[in-house]
Amino acid sequence: DAKTTQPNSMESNEEEPVHLPCNHSTISGTDYIHWYRQLPSQGPEYVIHGLTSNVNNRMASLAIAEDRKSSTLILHRATLRDAAVYYCILRGGATNKLIFGTGTLLAVQP
Amino acid sequence: KAGVTQTPRYLIKTRGQQVTLSCSPISGHRSVSWYQQTPGQGLQFLFEYFSETQRNKGNFPGRFSGRQFSNSRSEMNVSTLELGDSALYLCASSLDSGRENIQYFGAGTRLSVL
Repeated sequence: DAKTTQPNSMESNEEEPVHLPCNHSTISGTDYIHWYRQLPSQGPEYVIHGLTSNVNNRMASLAIAEDRKSSTLILHRATLRDAAVYYCILRGGATNKLIFGTGTLLAVQP
Repeated sequence: KAGVTQTPRYLIKTRGQQVTLSCSPISGHRSVSWYQQTPGQGLQFLFEYFSETQRNKGNFPGRFSGRQFSNSRSEMNVSTLELGDSALYLCASSLDSGRENIQYFGAGTRLSVL
């Protein structure tokens, strides 16, 4: 299973944009890039996913590098509710399993 | 549409006992996956069921088992409980098990083994 590398923690101020990076240099051509987040005392929550092109939804944007070896999750205006652990996951291979890494703990300051 | 429901929410057992956890997926979802979350190991994949068949399995001992019923509801069982089995057990459902499918998680069952 291909692995991802994320910073352990990041800080942001409320109402400012946040860029959460993820490196996945061993990604294969058919691996999807998924982002989930886990708020305190809750199960993980889907944020966004993509294959090659940049993606937008109501929660966030996903920018995927041209070589697909890295991606960035963009929260356009952070709120206190966005404080969570964000997981970048590659889904593919023979099993399509979701393999969670350690994620990035995002703190949002008022 | 109702979300993924896990029961019970909290459970206390003693070493050597066995436990069964239940997961009701979102209506229409055929794939159910189970995860164990601990402070030390993070979120680890246990197994996935699709249409009553186990599709994938993580690296857990045989004491951990599961099954899926014809209505897609799933149960996981842990036999001969050990202290290290104390964890949050999460269930997730998705329409299918393809790599582009979104998984929807329940709130989890918090198991404490004394």
